[in-house]
Amino acid sequence: QKEVEQDPGPLSVPEGAIVSLNCTYSNSAFQYFMWYRQYSRKGPELLMYTYSSGNKEDGRFTAQVDKSSKYISLFIRDSQPSDSATYLCAMRSPGNTPLVFGKGTRLSVIA
Amino acid sequence: GAVVSQHPSWVICKSGTSVKIECRSLDFQATTMFWYRQFPKQSLMLMATSNEGSKATYEQGVEKDKFLINHASLTLSTLTVTSAHPEDSSFYICSAEGTSGRGGELFFGEGSRLTVL
Repeated sequence: QKEVEQDPGPLSVPEGAIVSLNCTYSNSAFQYFMWYRQYSRKGPELLMYTYSSGNKEDGRFTAQVDKSSKYISLFIRDSQPSDSATYLCAMRSPGNTPLVFGKGTRLSVIA
Repeated sequence: GAVVSQHPSWVICKSGTSVKIECRSLDFQATTMFWYRQFPKQSLMLMATSNEGSKATYEQGVEKDKFLINHASLTLSTLTVTSAHPEDSSFYICSAEGTSGRGGELFFGEGSRLTVL
């Protein structure tokens, strides 16, 4: 079993839809959970950052972490064509450890 | 947030030549930087962890003699792809943990796209 599992999609939704992206993980040592957005040929851009469990909201984006289920989610409300990108979940243990990424989910929001 | 700069953003080279990619933390000091590689439509795969003043730690399957990493200062790490071959063509991205960031947060460079002919 890989450390982080993420459905690669592709996922195609109409403009205005609510998008739900998810990742599961196996390493209980992970404490920091992040979602990155990556446009084609660009570096990853941090969208949401969560420490330990709980919810976090930022504008149209909501991140949820359920450590008991080892499951994290990203919700995008009122999706826009500009949200079309690859979304990568990433997580990390404390200390000088690297981020472990999911495969990324390709999202297309159709106008 | 902290800024990480990579250079060059795009390079084409002939097979057998060496290419150096620089990763700089512009407004913070980074004792540790991470180098990732990303093939088309795939996720980021960790290649090595670069520690200032010491040898890099390579992930399994990554040839340390082919991918030379030097982290000579707290703001600069370099990745040199030696004797590059077409299969080394990829998107290389560095990241660093900033002292001004939240615990666990890594900042990424814009990436360097290498094409080996």
